[in-house]
Amino acid sequence: EPEVTQTPSHQVTQMGQEVILRCVPISNHLYFYWYRQILGQKVEFLVSFYNNEISEKSEIFDDQFSVERPDGSNFTLKIRSTKLEDSAMYFCASRENRDPYNEQFFGPGTRLTVL
Amino acid sequence: AQSVTQPDIHITVSEGASLELRCNYSYGATPYLFWYVQSPGQGLQLLLKYFSGDTLVQGIKGFEAEFKRSQSSFNLRKPSVHWSDAAEYFCAVGASGNDMRFGAGTRLTVKP
Repeated sequence: EPEVTQTPSHQVTQMGQEVILRCVPISNHLYFYWYRQILGQKVEFLVSFYNNEISEKSEIFDDQFSVERPDGSNFTLKIRSTKLEDSAMYFCASRENRDPYNEQFFGPGTRLTVL
Repeated sequence: AQSVTQPDIHITVSEGASLELRCNYSYGATPYLFWYVQSPGQGLQLLLKYFSGDTLVQGIKGFEAEFKRSQSSFNLRKPSVHWSDAAEYFCAVGASGNDMRFGAGTRLTVKP
C-alpha cells in the first residue's frame, strides 16, 4: 500500500542552524501539507502546497520557514535559523486531489530537537 | 474560523469496556469531520470521516462516530476496547479542505 515517507526520523540541531526535513508524498497525490506537533500539544497546520506553490499557510509559518518540491517526488520543509521553540514532531501529509472529503495521508513524522 | 475541542485529555478504560471520546467543533457551515489515531512513534491514521448523509459513520478497527449538529459534536465510540487501542486520538475539522484543525487529542489507556 502506498505511503508517505519522511526522513530523517530524528534530527538534532543547534539553535540558529538551518534544517531541511524531507518527505516523499504518495506518487499520484497533488496536495501536500506540513503539520507540527509540539510535545504534548495538538497537531498544528503549517502550510499546504499545490502546483508548485503555497496555497495556504498558518500564522506559524513565518519567514523562517519555506517549502519546496525540488524534483517532482520530494517535498521539503526548510527552517532557516532554528529556535528552541521549533523543537517538535513535524508531519508531512498528502492528498490525491482538492476534495476536502478525501483523506490526508500522514507520514510517520520527523522529530526535530533544537539544542 | 473552524476549531475543535476535545474535553478529555486522558481516559482510562478496562479492556472489554465501552469507549466514548468526545469532540466538539466550531464552524459556521457543515464541516468535514475526521478522527485520527496516533500510536506511539507512528504517524496519524484515519479512523473515519463524515461530511454528509447518515450521521452514524463506521470506521476501521470497530470504531464508529455520530455527528450531532444540534450539539456540534462528533463523538467517537467503540463497544469493546482492546489493549491495542491504547493510543492518542485526534478529532479534526476541515472546511475548505486545504488544511485541517486538530483537537488537542485524547490519550487512551487500556487497563487489563
